[in-house]
Amino acid sequence: EVVLTQSPATLSLSPGERATLSCRASQSVSSYLAWYQQKPGQAPRLLIYAASNRATGIPARFSGSGSGTDFTLTINSLEPEDFAVYYCQQRTNWPPEVTFGPGTKVDIK
Amino acid sequence: QVHLVESGGGLVQPGRSLRLSCEVSGFSFSAYSMHWVRQCPGKGLEWVAAISHDGSNKFHADSVKGRFTISRDNSKKTLFLQMNSLRAEDTAIYYCARDGGIDGYDWYFDYWGQGNLVTVSS
Repeated sequence: EVVLTQSPATLSLSPGERATLSCRASQSVSSYLAWYQQKPGQAPRLLIYAASNRATGIPARFSGSGSGTDFTLTINSLEPEDFAVYYCQQRTNWPPEVTFGPGTKVDIK
Repeated sequence: QVHLVESGGGLVQPGRSLRLSCEVSGFSFSAYSMHWVRQCPGKGLEWVAAISHDGSNKFHADSVKGRFTISRDNSKKTLFLQMNSLRAEDTAIYYCARDGGIDGYDWYFDYWGQGNLVTVSS
């Protein structure tokens, strides 16, 4: 099983600052990595797929990068609505396996 | 507008069964693979099962294999999760989610339902 590790567990920042979130895979997942945002009481929302593609309707301040085992989600100039938990997710080809990282909480400093 | 609405959750005793439904609207249901993803209270996300757009192939996580079965009815635009031999550790919010690809699997989830709580307890 591919294990995803996210760091840091919690990121305390102020609005307007840049957030840099890391996701590391225990083995190469190529570019099969997605990022989701989840707010309390809500379902997750897809932000980034295939490592660097923004999903429909996602603001340009969100960007993803990386391949293989190391990936980054960057949020430029945090808005108040960006304070949430962020999960990365990978999939392997065969047999199909999907795993999520444990999440990074971005909270207000 | 894409909508996914789950139903069928609730409190159930260990060892019993429950069937979740997810009714969709706003897109061509029969063109998309679908998934179930769950989240234990206060915890992270766990993929549970997937089904192809036409129902011809299905995949289940090892943690539910042999106990849970995913299915769909394209004429009713509805996804199902039959859960048998339920355990306390199956207690979670269950989300249905649409696969991001068309006529196949991309294995990321672009639209989600609001979630349905299943509590397994005596």
